[in-house]
Amino acid sequence: LAKTTQPISMDSYEGQEVNITCSHNNIATNDYITWYQQFPSQGPRFIIQGYKTKVTNEVASLFIPADRKSSTLSLPRVSLSDTAVYYCLVGANYGGSQGNLIFGKGTKLSVKP
Amino acid sequence: EAGVTQFPSHSVIEKGQTVTLRCDPISGHDNLYWYRRVMGKEIKFLLHFVKESKQDESGMPNNRFLAERTGGTYSTLKVQPAELEDSGVYFCASTRPGGGTEAFFGQGTRLTVV
Repeated sequence: LAKTTQPISMDSYEGQEVNITCSHNNIATNDYITWYQQFPSQGPRFIIQGYKTKVTNEVASLFIPADRKSSTLSLPRVSLSDTAVYYCLVGANYGGSQGNLIFGKGTKLSVKP
Repeated sequence: EAGVTQFPSHSVIEKGQTVTLRCDPISGHDNLYWYRRVMGKEIKFLLHFVKESKQDESGMPNNRFLAERTGGTYSTLKVQPAELEDSGVYFCASTRPGGGTEAFFGQGTRLTVV
C-alpha cells in the first residue's frame, strides 16, 4: 500500500472550513483514497472515499487532483464535535483478495470555540 | 444492520495471565482485521482474515498472540501470557467482499496489563 503523509495536527475555530491534505506519491493505479475519523475511546469511522476528481457526501468533500499524488479532505463549517484524529488511507478497492488497511499517524484536528 | 461488536470493552489482567478478546464482524463481511493502538502511538495492523483463513499476520508482535476465526464468523485474539507492553486498545474491523478500504470498526477492547 502507498505510504501517506499528513500534518500531525491542526487547529481551527468553529464555523471555519478545514482542509487536511494527504500526500501519497506512490499511489498505484488500483488504489482508492479513504479517510477515517476517530474520536477518543472509539474505533475509526469511515468518512469518505474517492478515486479521482471530487467526491462529496453529507459529511465532507474529497478533492483529488489529476495526478492523484495527494488528496484534500474538506470539512465545511466545523463544530467542536469535529475535534478528532483524521486518517488518510490509500489502498485497493476491488473484489476478491485485497490488501491490508494500514493507518498512518493521522492528523489531530482541534476545533476551538 | 448491526455493527462490529467487540467484547469485553475493557479488561484488566495481571502480567502472566491469559486474555481472550472477541470480535463479531458485520454479517456477510468476509474480511476481518485486528489492530492495536498503544497509548500515544498510531494504530498498528496485526492481522487480516479472509473468511477463516489468515491472509496476512505480519503485524502480530510475537507468538504470545494467537488469532482464530473458526467458521469464518467471529474471531478471537488470545494473548498468553500477557506482558505489560501488551496494554492498549485492540480494534477489530470488517469489510464486505470487495469492500476495499471502507471498513467498519468496533468500539475496541481496552486491555490493561498490570
